Amino acid sequence: NAGVTQTPKFQVLKTGQSMTLQCAQDMNHEYMSWYRQDPGMGLRLIHYSVGAGITDQGEVPNGYNVSRSTTEDFPLRLLSAAPSQTSVYFCAAQGPVGEQFFGPGTRLTVL
Amino acid sequence: QQQVKQSPQSLIVQKGGISIINCAYENTAFDYFPWYQQFPGKGPALLIAIRPDVSEKKEGRFTISFNKSAKQFSLHIMDSQPGDSATYFCAASMRPGNQFYFGTGTSLTVIP
Repeated sequence: NAGVTQTPKFQVLKTGQSMTLQCAQDMNHEYMSWYRQDPGMGLRLIHYSVGAGITDQGEVPNGYNVSRSTTEDFPLRLLSAAPSQTSVYFCAAQGPVGEQFFGPGTRLTVL
Repeated sequence: QQQVKQSPQSLIVQKGGISIINCAYENTAFDYFPWYQQFPGKGPALLIAIRPDVSEKKEGRFTISFNKSAKQFSLHIMDSQPGDSATYFCAASMRPGNQFYFGTGTSLTVIP
């Protein structure tokens, strides 16, 4: 039982490049989220999904897209990377009583 | 606008001492208040959580105190150990399936 997995662990992009951060869970939880973590700012919600085919914006959605075609997978797409998107990204799946299970994170640097 | 305000930003405690981290919120619709622990290079992990129908919850050395009238809750770590050195986040949400709002984190260092 792997829980929540994320790939890649590290990524360096040039400004303007696009990429997809992968997230998968094997707990069959409906609710999944993407957060970014920046020093002194805690975890900020980018996008979330309450189930396959349903997504919505969080606090900081600009520059990011998501889709949810299956319960297991919730990829995050950076459309045109900017230095302001340098951050650590965490994917999470939420259990039935509200507990969140986080992945190990992706550290992204945009040059 | 920060939905959940956390203090202090950093905390240094001697081994065996008590670590106290505080959080405050404004939205009275919040009804789930978890604390997460994060070690360097790892994702946050749920430590302990409370709902507003109780004023205190204890799990081992970790206790949440909840003051509904003051809209505040705090994490107490008794007999703090060097292995407790980590970043701690408080959070709040309205019900399962709703958005979580996190505090800005507290970096705890426990010195031997």
